[in-house]
Amino acid sequence: KQEVTQIPAALSVPEGENLVLNCSFTDSAIYNLQWFRQDPGKGLTSLLLIQSSQREQTSGRLNASLDKSSGRSTLYIAASQPGDSATYLCAVSVAGKSTFGDGTTLTVKP
Amino acid sequence: DGGITQSPKYLFRKEGQNVTLSCEQNLNHDAMYWYRQDPGQGLRLIYYSQIVNDFQKGDIAEGYSVSREKKESFPLTVTSAQKNPTAFYLCASSILQGTVNEQFFGPGTRLTVL
Repeated sequence: KQEVTQIPAALSVPEGENLVLNCSFTDSAIYNLQWFRQDPGKGLTSLLLIQSSQREQTSGRLNASLDKSSGRSTLYIAASQPGDSATYLCAVSVAGKSTFGDGTTLTVKP
Repeated sequence: DGGITQSPKYLFRKEGQNVTLSCEQNLNHDAMYWYRQDPGQGLRLIYYSQIVNDFQKGDIAEGYSVSREKKESFPLTVTSAQKNPTAFYLCASSILQGTVNEQFFGPGTRLTVL
């Protein structure tokens, strides 16, 4: 059974710092990995999707990497801002089903 | 506007009642999903459907039922058999292209048992 782990569970940084969020998964036979953002009491917003054949994807200040062989993905956030404060979740998909991590709650202090 | 709508935003249920949560999408997506989220936790899959009139159980289907009579709609019924239904329920859809499964989510329904 696929298991997805996100470390750390919570992270607090001062504004302007670059930071890395981690996601690890136990079964490397995935189709794709997706990173989401969730604000309190809201649904999930898709940030980046990396297909299994890709190594990374970039969108603005966000860069996500994927290493299938080691079962790891990282989400890099450059020049963090208070508006980046949210919970970030990763999900791995196989055959139309996704398994989610518990998320990392990020707080960016002004 | 293209997207996924869920209603109601808040729902209160008395013990022993069945309640139905609505999920509608106008993205022309083939697949739809229902997830449950408990505080501080990730999402757990309840049911999913990849085609009209067909659906499969997820990891925590006991006490829930679904239907998929139209491509746009995937309602979830929380039955009285679900012992601890208080949670945040999220609906998602995706267009399945080969091996790519990119999911998009609705705003969620918060269910509270009184």
